[in-house]
Amino acid sequence: GDSVTQMEGPVTLSEEAFLTINCTYTATGYPSLFWYVQYPGEGLQLLLKATKADDKGSNKGFEATYRKETTSFHLEKGSVQVSDSAVYFCALSDRDNYGQNFVFGPGTRLSVLP
Amino acid sequence: KAGVTQTPRYLIKTRGQQVTLSCSPISGHRSVSWYQQTPGQGLQFLFEYFSETQRNKGNFPGRFSGRQFSNSRSEMNVSTLELGDSALYLCASSLGFGRSALLTSGGPSDEQFFGPGTRLTVL
Repeated sequence: GDSVTQMEGPVTLSEEAFLTINCTYTATGYPSLFWYVQYPGEGLQLLLKATKADDKGSNKGFEATYRKETTSFHLEKGSVQVSDSAVYFCALSDRDNYGQNFVFGPGTRLSVLP
Repeated sequence: KAGVTQTPRYLIKTRGQQVTLSCSPISGHRSVSWYQQTPGQGLQFLFEYFSETQRNKGNFPGRFSGRQFSNSRSEMNVSTLELGDSALYLCASSLGFGRSALLTSGGPSDEQFFGPGTRLTVL
């Protein structure tokens, strides 16, 4: 079945450091790829998405490119802030004969120190 | 546009009791999915409802059930609560697409929008 693998962390960085969170997937059909972020005490928020190969999703300084050849969707940010401290989930949405399946990775906890 | 709302936000129950959680999706969304989030197991899919029908189901015992009403609001029920059911229960809504649209290459993406969750504690 479909699956998402991501580095589990925790990841601890200093403010203004470069961030990469790796995400790889396996899927059949025509998956869309997502990054969600969860701040303490809240639900998940969509951070960015890509719906087909070579698409780049971006939002709030975060970027991720849909790489079909390596089945990856790595999250990057050039300069992290303390306010970026949260848990980040990579996810895919695939379609089959019965409907649409969302599969989430285990989440990566990011802590940014001032 | 109002977001996904979940009630109640916090709940404390004892073992053996049952509980019902409610989710109101974003207006116009027809699909509602439920997830259980725990520190040990992460985010686990419970089930998805689309147009009042359960369309997908995760690997949870029959004590976990749900339903969806004609206005797309959804409820989730857990009977005979166990200590291990303590978790954050998240509801997510999406537009939802019929089968023909879903099988189209390059068809519409269907991101999910999450509510704040219901924190259930079982004592």
